[in-house]
Amino acid sequence: GENVEQHPSTLSVQEGDSAVIKCTYSDSASNYFPWYKQELGKGPQLIIDIRSNVGEKKDQRIAVTLNKTAKHFSLHITETQPEDSAVYFCAASRSGAGGTSYGKLTFGQGTILTVHP
Amino acid sequence: DTEVTQTPKHLVMGMTNKKSLKCEQHMGHRAMYWYKQKAKKPPELMFVYSYEKLSINESVPSRFSPECPNSSLLNLHLHALQPEDSALYLCASSQDRTGVTQYFGPGTRLLVL
Repeated sequence: GENVEQHPSTLSVQEGDSAVIKCTYSDSASNYFPWYKQELGKGPQLIIDIRSNVGEKKDQRIAVTLNKTAKHFSLHITETQPEDSAVYFCAASRSGAGGTSYGKLTFGQGTILTVHP
Repeated sequence: DTEVTQTPKHLVMGMTNKKSLKCEQHMGHRAMYWYKQKAKKPPELMFVYSYEKLSINESVPSRFSPECPNSSLLNLHLHALQPEDSALYLCASSQDRTGVTQYFGPGTRLLVL
């Protein structure tokens, strides 16, 4: 099955700095890679996702890059703000029809991001 | 609107109790999911419903019983739970199983005494 490794487990930055979180995956058939932000006491919130036919995607201060050859993808947050403090999870999945593995998200272990004012 | 709602927000139950968790979405999604999340860990998939039929059961103990009465509702019936079942229970939905973009609810925080 799929295995997703996420680093670092904790990340502390000053407000205004950039933050980068990296994930590697094992299943070359995975083609969908979402990132979730989870604040204390809340459910995971989808913040950005990327499909394997795209190398990079941006949404304001957040960007995700994907290297299919190396099987890794990264989340980049620029101009960090205290409200970015949360746990971030990467995940990998196969999209498309058929098979019992479709629709299953395999999560990384999470990164606790702390942004100091 | 990408809202998934879950009730109750908190639940405390004894090991002999029977209780139910409820999840609802009105996005027209045809796949719904139950996850269990322990503190400082990622969500773990428990069940997947696709078009109101159970399509994945990740070897979950029978004291957890899912039910999908219609395309908008998902229940998780709990009976004879153990203290180690205490966790955050998350519901998610997606357009269908092939779509994979999953939207999560806020979760039910369960404590088993």
